[in-house]
Amino acid sequence: DVVMTQSPLSLPVTLGQPASISCRSSQSLVHSDGTTYLHWFQQRPGQSPRRLIYEVSNRDSGVPDRFSGSGSGTDFTLKISRVEAEDVGVYYCLQGTQLWTFGQGTKVEIK
Amino acid sequence: EVQLVESGGGLVQPGGSLRLSCAASGFTFSTYWMHWVRQAPGKGLVWVSAMKSDGSRTIYADSVKGRFTISRDNAKNTLYLQMNSLRADDTAVYYCATDRFDYWGQGTLVTVSS
Repeated sequence: DVVMTQSPLSLPVTLGQPASISCRSSQSLVHSDGTTYLHWFQQRPGQSPRRLIYEVSNRDSGVPDRFSGSGSGTDFTLKISRVEAEDVGVYYCLQGTQLWTFGQGTKVEIK
Repeated sequence: EVQLVESGGGLVQPGGSLRLSCAASGFTFSTYWMHWVRQAPGKGLVWVSAMKSDGSRTIYADSVKGRFTISRDNAKNTLYLQMNSLRADDTAVYYCATDRFDYWGQGTLVTVSS
């Protein structure tokens, strides 16, 4: 089974400052079809999850460009260039290369 | 507009059963894999089960294998999750989601308690 490990689990950030979340997988997420099925989700308090980034670095429609995803193989990063108040919530990575596994989640809060 | 609406949650005793439904609209339901994902109170997201578009393939997390059954009715645009032998640790909000997790429902709460 693929294990997804996020860090940090809690991330206090000052408004306007950058934030970075790491997601590491226990094995390579490169599928036999060449695609890396690593996605990022945001879950605001009291809401359903929302996909932000798919296949490592593709931003979903309507997602602000301050969100970006990068990485390859087993090591991936979600970056928020300048944190805004509406970014508070929990962020999850998800691998879909070998069945599906979520990371534990990273709680982003304002300092 | 894509909509997923879960229903069927509630309070059930340990060992009991419950069937969840997910009514889909706004897309061609019959051509997409669908998923169930759950979230225990104050905890993270956990993938539960998936079903292929035509119902010919089903996949389960080890934690629910043999107790839960995913199914679908493409004529009714509805996904189901039959949950048997429920345990306290099955208590969670259950979400349905589209094949690439680009759309999610609002979730339905299942509480297993005596």
